[in-house]
Amino acid sequence: EAQVTQNPRYLITVTGKKLTVTCSQNMNHEYMSWYRQDPGLGLRQIYYSMNVEVTDKGDVPEGYKVSRKEKRNFPLILESPSPNQTSLYFCASTGGAVTTDTQYFGPGTRLTVL
Amino acid sequence: SQKIEQNSEALNIQEGKTATLTCNYTNYSPAYLQWYRQDPGRGPVFLLLIRENEKEKRKERLKVTFDTTLKQSLFHITASQPADSATYLCALVGGSNYKLTFGKGTLLTVNP
Repeated sequence: EAQVTQNPRYLITVTGKKLTVTCSQNMNHEYMSWYRQDPGLGLRQIYYSMNVEVTDKGDVPEGYKVSRKEKRNFPLILESPSPNQTSLYFCASTGGAVTTDTQYFGPGTRLTVL
Repeated sequence: SQKIEQNSEALNIQEGKTATLTCNYTNYSPAYLQWYRQDPGRGPVFLLLIRENEKEKRKERLKVTFDTTLKQSLFHITASQPADSATYLCALVGGSNYKLTFGKGTLLTVNP
């Protein structure tokens, strides 16, 4: 089954404790991205990757890092999480042109930073 | 600055009626516009895409229009059902990196 998986699905952590949210897709997609979703603000793009070793900032990249060493994986790293990073996070991937192809979203990771 | 507005935060309609959701944008020249459905606590699911040179697109009970003069897209669900209740998001594709930017969504509730 074609899918995007994220782990963990839920995470409660404390300020300053480094964490990684993993994202993996089994569709051989080139384009992957991370979004955060907050009430009243909607979905905002954090980082995106056009292909392996190619990443770029989205609208809200501060406090986040990403890497794309393999085509299928695109982890999101929070080196020193802060309470304002409490949010619902989604990973997404697209096979061909991001313009015209379906973007597949993962199930989401709900992060709480205390 | 670029702006995407989905005019209603919430829309309530009776089962069987047609739901019409609006997406307006400013300071954009989008090449494509997409509509997604999102259920609570879940990731968005792609529904339809319409190109700037297309006026209308249909898929089963769904219809999308795209008016680049008015800078507006309308999303219609005909013969609505309670199972259609969800948040619907519009997303514009534009810019040099073809970034996808989302509106804040409209929560549709279809009452039986």
